[in-house]
Amino acid sequence: RKEVEQDPGPFNVPEGATVAFNCTYSNSASQSFFWYRQDCRKEPKLLMSVYSSGNEDGRFTAQLNRASQYISLLIRDSKLSDSATYLCAVRVDSSYKLIFGSGTRLLVRP
Amino acid sequence: DAMVIQNPRYQVTQFGKPVTLSCSQTLNHNVMYWYQQKSSQAPKLLFHYYDKDFNNEADTPDNFQSRRPNTSFCFLDIRSPGLGDAAMYLCATSISGVSYNEQFFGPGTRLTVL
Repeated sequence: RKEVEQDPGPFNVPEGATVAFNCTYSNSASQSFFWYRQDCRKEPKLLMSVYSSGNEDGRFTAQLNRASQYISLLIRDSKLSDSATYLCAVRVDSSYKLIFGSGTRLLVRP
Repeated sequence: DAMVIQNPRYQVTQFGKPVTLSCSQTLNHNVMYWYQQKSSQAPKLLFHYYDKDFNNEADTPDNFQSRRPNTSFCFLDIRSPGLGDAAMYLCATSISGVSYNEQFFGPGTRLTVL
């Protein structure tokens, strides 16, 4: 089993739709959680950190469910510019290493 | 603007010909990382430096080496590139001692092996 797993998609949604992705992690000792956005042939860029209480940044909401060992990302009112691959990342221990999922691809159509 | 810079952005090399990729940062972060990312795959950590301390991942081939001469610069050396080493190589930085320790990535170097 992979340490961090994501549905590869693609999720194909119309503009204005609400879409949600999940990311599951296997190590219950995981400490920090992140969502990154990666455009085609570009580097990952930090979208948001995921806090225990959940957090929101504009149209984006991230949540953590420790009991079920997953994090989620909700995107409301999807824009064409949201089309990208969304990577989740997990820090497991006191090291500074992140383990990434393979990403979920989102396509927002007009 | 503070940033992570990678050079070159595109590198073409021949099978078996050594290549060096460079990374520099103006963020003054003490932790630096090298990742390999192939198409539709997760970034895979090769190694990281915590200050001057080098930390190799157990499954990183011996063909990959790294140097960090100072806080700002880090190099990835591929001693004898094979066709399977064609990938995007990403450098990232972070700062220790903070609770969330986000990593910030450079634009990457896309390596082609002929």
